[in-house]
Amino acid sequence: EPEVTQTPSHQVTQMGQEVILRCVPISNHLYFYWYRQILGQKVEFLVSFYNNEISEKSEIFDDQFSVERPDGSNFTLKIRSTKLEDSAMYFCASSALQGRGELFFGEGSRLTVL
Amino acid sequence: DQQVKQNSPSLSVQEGRISILNCDYTNSMFDYFLWYKKYPAEGPTFLISISSIKDKNEDGRFTVFLNKSAKHLSLHIVPSQPGDSAVYFCAARRGGSGAGSYQLTFGKGTKLSVIP
Repeated sequence: EPEVTQTPSHQVTQMGQEVILRCVPISNHLYFYWYRQILGQKVEFLVSFYNNEISEKSEIFDDQFSVERPDGSNFTLKIRSTKLEDSAMYFCASSALQGRGELFFGEGSRLTVL
Repeated sequence: DQQVKQNSPSLSVQEGRISILNCDYTNSMFDYFLWYKKYPAEGPTFLISISSIKDKNEDGRFTVFLNKSAKHLSLHIVPSQPGDSAVYFCAARRGGSGAGSYQLTFGKGTKLSVIP
């Protein structure tokens, strides 16, 4: 069964460092997303990406965040200068459809900022 | 701003019995609702969804009911099995193709424990 894969599974970084989280969405999907879940809190939307551009972003997704699809398979989330409050589980997701298609999530990348 | 609320953080049910997980929403622009299941150290897995034009959708042991006037939905699992033990998230999406239609808004989740 096709799945969304994410790397790394866990990253520890110092405050102020840049972090890149990587995702390989399901191959025939067209819509890509990043969500995050801070420990004990709900899953929150960060950004959606379609046709090589951001289609929507939340207030959380400020100038420190960026996304890229550098080739035909990878979808990356970059945090330019990490803060303590960026510590969370980051989930990548993809979907074939926008309006009615369910999202398929990866297993997540846990980011710990010290 | 909790647009999607799951007021029960946890629920324990005996194996074989019915599990009922509840979800309330406040945004009347939501028109599509989904339930996800999440095991520890894994990403959310899609379970079942319902459009606002329906009031019930069934898939095997899982049934989702939607009461639009009450802005309430529920997930019924019958019969409950120990493998159903997980955190269940309710999620909602705005209709159309404009702002808000790309993102899912999640509740905080309900941890279901099915006791053998």
